[in-house]
Amino acid sequence: DAKTTQPNSMESNEEEPVHLPCNHSTISGTDYIHWYRQLPSQGPEYVIHGLTSNVNNRMASLAIAEDRKSSTLILHRATLRDAAVYYCILRTPLWSGAGSYQLTFGKGTKLSVIP
Amino acid sequence: NAGVTQTPKFQVLKTGQSMTLQCAQDMNHEYMSWYRQDPGMGLRLIHYSVGAGITDQGEVPNGYNVSRSTTEDFPLRLLSAAPSQTSVYFCASSQGFEQYFGPGTRLTVT
Repeated sequence: DAKTTQPNSMESNEEEPVHLPCNHSTISGTDYIHWYRQLPSQGPEYVIHGLTSNVNNRMASLAIAEDRKSSTLILHRATLRDAAVYYCILRTPLWSGAGSYQLTFGKGTKLSVIP
Repeated sequence: NAGVTQTPKFQVLKTGQSMTLQCAQDMNHEYMSWYRQDPGMGLRLIHYSVGAGITDQGEVPNGYNVSRSTTEDFPLRLLSAAPSQTSVYFCASSQGFEQYFGPGTRLTVT
């Protein structure tokens, strides 16, 4: 199975940018790169996704390496509400037909934001 | 919209008991799935469904059954609970790239 590797933890000062790295050296051509975050005692929340090109949305930016073996989630200005576990995930199609897929979660990076 | 709802929030079972974890969504999503999350770990896929009447196994399906008779509901059944099934269970739905997760059910099997 394709897997991702992330640092166990990172710290950031409030209102500073944060770059969360992820390695996915075994990614296949049909795997999308997704990022979710999970606050304590809550379900994961979608952040952003991409395939080959860099992506921006209201929450974050996603920078994908040209060879697709790594990516970086960028939070432009960290706030205390951004403190969470961030998961870099590969969305892998499943054999059972169109529309079926699996999100393969790793252990994630626990982001702490310092006031 | 309520989004994805799960009941119960907490449950304690004895080994060998059976129970059903409920999951419902009001977004008319075709794709629904169940994950389990063990302490300090990421989520692992148990079962998923691409629409009413269609289900399939994920990474860790043993000991669990699912059915999908309506678009809205996707219950997860534990047939004979074991201590190894102590975990937090999340249901999710999607219609596209973004998955919406429920708040989770924390299950303890003694």
